[in-house]
Amino acid sequence: DQQVKQNSPSLSVQEGRISILNCDYTNSMFDYFLWYKKYPAEGPTFLISISSIKDKNEDGRFTVFLNKSAKHLSLHIVPSQPGDSAVYFCAASPRSSSNYKLTFGKGTLLTVNP
Amino acid sequence: EPEVTQTPSHQVTQMGQEVILRCVPISNHLYFYWYRQILGQKVEFLVSFYNNEISEKSEIFDDQFSVERPDGSNFTLKIRSTKLEDSAMYFCASSVADTAFFGQGTRLTVV
Repeated sequence: DQQVKQNSPSLSVQEGRISILNCDYTNSMFDYFLWYKKYPAEGPTFLISISSIKDKNEDGRFTVFLNKSAKHLSLHIVPSQPGDSAVYFCAASPRSSSNYKLTFGKGTLLTVNP
Repeated sequence: EPEVTQTPSHQVTQMGQEVILRCVPISNHLYFYWYRQILGQKVEFLVSFYNNEISEKSEIFDDQFSVERPDGSNFTLKIRSTKLEDSAMYFCASSVADTAFFGQGTRLTVV
């Protein structure tokens, strides 16, 4: 039961261009969404989050967009840099719950080519 | 910058043995978690812990698993009798509220 889906296992972009990573969710109880970046043999590193009361959140080169009606969010990285190459996980939480448990997607491997 | 630390980084154990994975969460955090990632699969929730008790656990977290906060700083995951399928990266995380910060993980290999 994939409540959080990242349908693209991999994405390759040129340095300087925009990277767009997509995520869909099915559970209507999710109201807080996060993106994590993960390098091999390391733990997930928090990147950016968005609450369901917003449709956009920006932090430097990273912007997350949320479309609640479509149950879809996306992470935009612009401009992309080779150091951005990593696996990106979308995660969701029912914020109204008492424990902030995260449900993760399977991840998208981003490769930024110099 | 404060971080979640996990030890050991790699643990090899024989099937049927008990293992304890250790974590030091960020000091002012209130919620503690264990997640795991089997090779090639997604990160899966195991258990959350708040106010000195389990607040939620997944189906994976059966009677073979237990968690403990033995003192003010450590948070441990114990697997009583390891199985081959327990081989995975185990990540500890902590949060003040809704944004969890993860440790570097412990790679558990059951042979």
